[in-house]
This record gives sequence, structure tokens and C-alpha cells, in this order.
Amino acid sequence: AQSVTQPDIHITVSEGASLELRCNYSYGATPYLFWYVQSPGQGLQLLLKYFSGDTLVQGIKGFEAEFKRSQSSFNLRKPSVHWSDAAEYFCAVGAPGGYQKVTFGIGTKLQVIP
Amino acid sequence: SQTIHQWPATLVQPVGSPLSLECTVEGTSNPNLYWYRQAAGRGLQLLFYSVGIGQISSEVPQNLSASRPQDRQFILSSKKLLLSDSGFYLCAWSPRTVGLRPGELFFGEGSRLTVL
Repeated sequence: AQSVTQPDIHITVSEGASLELRCNYSYGATPYLFWYVQSPGQGLQLLLKYFSGDTLVQGIKGFEAEFKRSQSSFNLRKPSVHWSDAAEYFCAVGAPGGYQKVTFGIGTKLQVIP
Repeated sequence: SQTIHQWPATLVQPVGSPLSLECTVEGTSNPNLYWYRQAAGRGLQLLFYSVGIGQISSEVPQNLSASRPQDRQFILSSKKLLLSDSGFYLCAWSPRTVGLRPGELFFGEGSRLTVL
């Protein structure tokens, strides 16, 4: 069975600083990887996804993530954080199936300070 | 465009009372439908999924049930709520995928349930 680890529960960064959120996965085959973002009291929105091909994936809102098979990681990055990026971020791993066999991490809550 | 509606947004219920959360999807046909529960520090837990009318699969044994009476309607129910049922419930849909590759999940706004 697949699993996801997000080792940082809370992260605080200054506005304009760079950001990296860590994600490690466990899956026996080539994983399908996702990053979702959740604003307070809202549902989740997909930021980006990796299925195959180029290991550096571009997403919405200026985010990118890099798939590193050797490290079983799929870290999310943004070069310059904006106050509106404050939210909770979820990494997820999916497996092939007739439905979305997606397993989510516990999330990383991002705080942005002026 | 596709939209997903979930209601009620908030609900406070006494222990032992029934529950009904509803979710409808517009702008697509034959979606896969899901109910997730989110608890603080525990991420999202898949409760139920459905690949068609009347087809419900449960991922976790619990006090809850789900039904899909129409193609784009998904209902989460309980006959008697427990304190442990409190949480944030999210409905989601995904398109049927080619080659069984998982695609994007589209989430509703969520329903916060407090059981007292």
C-alpha cells in the first residue's frame, strides 16, 4: 500500500522568501504524485501533478515540484512567497485503479509573515 | 464548467441524532464520487467512493453510510451520531480516467460537523 510523509506540520516564512515543502512517498511502482492546497475552511485545489516524463513539474500560482525517485521525494517549491500563499498543503500519492486510489499526507500548514 | 456543491456548510448535532450531508456535481456525467473526512493532524481519510449509481464502496468501517441515488448526487448518512463523528467532511469527484491513471480530484467546500 502506498503512503505519504510530510515531515513538517507547520512552516513559517517571510513574504518574499523562498519556500520548500517536503514530501516523501512509499510506493512499489512508479507513483502518481500530487500537491493540493487548502485555504482555511475550504476544499482542496490541485496545484500540480506528476505522472511521468520531466521530473520538474510546473503548477498553478507559481509553484513547482521535483520528483526524485532515488530519494522517494516530491518536494514543492516556490521562489518567492506571497501572503496569499498562507494555507495548508497536502502531498498525495495515487495508484492505478478504477477509482482514484489516492493517499494523502497529513498536511503542512504554511504561515507567511510580513 | 463543472461545479460541485456540498451542504450544509456547518452542522451541530447531538449525540444519537441522524445525519445527512449532500453533494451534487454539475457539468459532467458518470463521475467518480468520494466522501473524505479530515481531522486535525491526520490528513484526509477516504470514507466512501462510488463509480456509479447504487455502487458504494467503504474504505473504513464506521458509523456512517453513503448512497448514490442519482448519477451526480452523493449522500453521507448516519442513523445515530457519535462524538467521534465530529470533523470536516469533504465531497469530491473525479472524471473517469483512461488507462486507470488517477486524475484530478475536485473538492467541494466541505461540511463541518460538530457532535455534542
